[in-house]
Amino acid sequence: NAGVTQTPKFQVLKTGQSMTLQCAQDMNHNSMYWYRQDPGMGLRLIYYSASEGTTDKGEVPNGYNVSRLNKREFSLRLESAAPSQTSVYFCASRQGGSYNEQFFGPGTRLTVL
Amino acid sequence: KQEVTQIPAALSVPEGENLVLNCSFTDSAIYNLQWFRQDPGKGLTSLLLIQSSQREQTSGRLNASLDKSSGRSTLYIAASQPGDSATYLCAARTGTASKLTFGTGTRLQVTL
Repeated sequence: NAGVTQTPKFQVLKTGQSMTLQCAQDMNHNSMYWYRQDPGMGLRLIYYSASEGTTDKGEVPNGYNVSRLNKREFSLRLESAAPSQTSVYFCASRQGGSYNEQFFGPGTRLTVL
Repeated sequence: KQEVTQIPAALSVPEGENLVLNCSFTDSAIYNLQWFRQDPGKGLTSLLLIQSSQREQTSGRLNASLDKSSGRSTLYIAASQPGDSATYLCAARTGTASKLTFGTGTRLQVTL
């Protein structure tokens, strides 16, 4: 099992450009999450999908959109990138139920100039 | 709103020492608390998950404890090794959507 995979690993954008970060998991998990990690801020939840067909906002959703394409895949889109979105983005997944652990992908390091 | 704090932000210890990392949270209505390890430039690796009904959980040289009433968890690392050098993050799961709230981590360096 590959676990949680993310593409790309690195990306540089200019202000105003758009891009989609891809995430896939092969553990048949119901729930998937997108976080961003910034120095001194910890990981903050952007959006999550509790199950296929549903998405909800997290703590910092502004400037982002998501799509739960199917049970395996959950993408994060930046429509018009801003320098404040320079960060490391992590995707995670978890089996349903309140008592299961969350598994993380390797991250995408995004720089917006 | 749940807030999670980890102190200290950084810690340096000599090899072989036993050490304790601290995690505190403000809302005791948690489902569980998860400890992660993060190596520089890498993703998060789950170390231990301790349920709200448990007092402690062990994996090898690692032992995590949970005291919900005081809003605290500790991660005990026995006989530390240079390979243990990393950032350790704790995260509390609360709420109906079972979202994780993370602390900002403790950066551990184990020296020879």
